[in-house]
Amino acid sequence: DTEVTQTPKHLVMGMTNKKSLKCEQHMGHRAMYWYKQKAKKPPELMFVYSYEKLSINESVPSRFSPECPNSSLLNLHLHALQPEDSALYLCASSLRDRWGNEQFFGPGTRLTVL
Amino acid sequence: KQEVTQIPAALSVPEGENLVLNCSFTDSAIYNLQWFRQDPGKGLTSLLLIQSSQREQTSGRLNASLDKSSGRSTLYIAASQPGDSATYLCALEISGGGADGLTFGKGTHLIIQP
Repeated sequence: DTEVTQTPKHLVMGMTNKKSLKCEQHMGHRAMYWYKQKAKKPPELMFVYSYEKLSINESVPSRFSPECPNSSLLNLHLHALQPEDSALYLCASSLRDRWGNEQFFGPGTRLTVL
Repeated sequence: KQEVTQIPAALSVPEGENLVLNCSFTDSAIYNLQWFRQDPGKGLTSLLLIQSSQREQTSGRLNASLDKSSGRSTLYIAASQPGDSATYLCALEISGGGADGLTFGKGTHLIIQP
């Protein structure tokens, strides 16, 4: 298995909703990442988990809450989002070994906040 | 702060041509450099990873080079095909710890005309 999966593919939510994005990999990778990509812009890093420990990006609002239940799973909990949070949310993983830490991305979740 | 620039921003060429995409960065202290392609509305596909100690990597019709001292990388695509049409992104990992994630350029939007 050489892929990163993300669910759901699409998500529409209101500003008062609570929802979660899910990411999974079975490549034995020990680092997992959340990126946010706005239209026609490059991805921007949100969070990094390395060996199931969080490295926080301080510019991320608290309405985004990551969780890493185990080394294969990564969740992003969403609460009280704003319309400007609408974007493609990408998950990635990497092995973090001495051969260079190549990152592999999932297909993304397209989020629309109404 | 590391800045990544990709030139050109857009490129349209006839099928069969060889082409070069450029990536430059401001700080030569990088851990590795990765090239991706992204199709519209999709996730990122890893093309090549070059570690900081390497000069180039090859995969099929793709060849990527790295010159850390000058802060440059190039992606060479041989015998271009319409299926190569996509946005190509250059990304850097600054530290080997993986806690920084990737810093992306804005990409080159490539169209190969049949």
